[in-house]
Amino acid sequence: NAGVTQTPKFQVLKTGQSMTLQCAQDMNHEYMSWYRQDPGMGLRLIHYSVGAGITDQGEVPNGYNVSRSTTEDFPLRLLSAAPSQTSVYFCASSYAPPTSGNYEQYFGPGTRLTVT
Amino acid sequence: EDKVVQSPLSLVVHEGDTVTLNCSYEVTNFRSLLWYKQEKKAPTFLFMLTSSGIEKKSGRLSSILDKKELFSILNITATQTGDSAVYLCAHNTGTASKLTFGTGTRLQVTL
Repeated sequence: NAGVTQTPKFQVLKTGQSMTLQCAQDMNHEYMSWYRQDPGMGLRLIHYSVGAGITDQGEVPNGYNVSRSTTEDFPLRLLSAAPSQTSVYFCASSYAPPTSGNYEQYFGPGTRLTVT
Repeated sequence: EDKVVQSPLSLVVHEGDTVTLNCSYEVTNFRSLLWYKQEKKAPTFLFMLTSSGIEKKSGRLSSILDKKELFSILNITATQTGDSAVYLCAHNTGTASKLTFGTGTRLQVTL
């Protein structure tokens, strides 16, 4: 198993450009999430999905779109990049729902994005 | 608004010391509290706590939850340089995949 994979590892964008951060998992996990991590802010949830075709907003969804057409993939789209979106982005997945007694999230290696 | 607060923000100890990291929370719908270790890259899962007073243990690491006082502690005994990392605490609201993270405690273990 490759686990959770993310591409690219690094990206530099100009303000106003759009791009898609890719996330895939091969563990047949239903639950997938996107977080951003900024210094002094911890990890903040952007969007999440409880299964193919179902997505919802997290704590900081503005400026980002997601879709979940397959169980494996959960791409994050930046519509018009802004310097405030400079961050490290983590994708995560889990098999069990949060209400279970075995809720463990697996994180991808992260994408470091800089918007100039 | 749900909140998770970790203390201290950072800590430097000598190898062999025992450390206690703190996590307090204010939440409207508690389900579980999770601890993660983050070294250079992605966080890795350590513990999930759902019940008060039951210690979870893995090697030199242990954690316990107090649901009455709304906090959890993570203990690391006989610290090693490999324990140097940021330790994250997160609350799970039980609403789909929502985790609310604290800002983390940066632990540095020196020789």
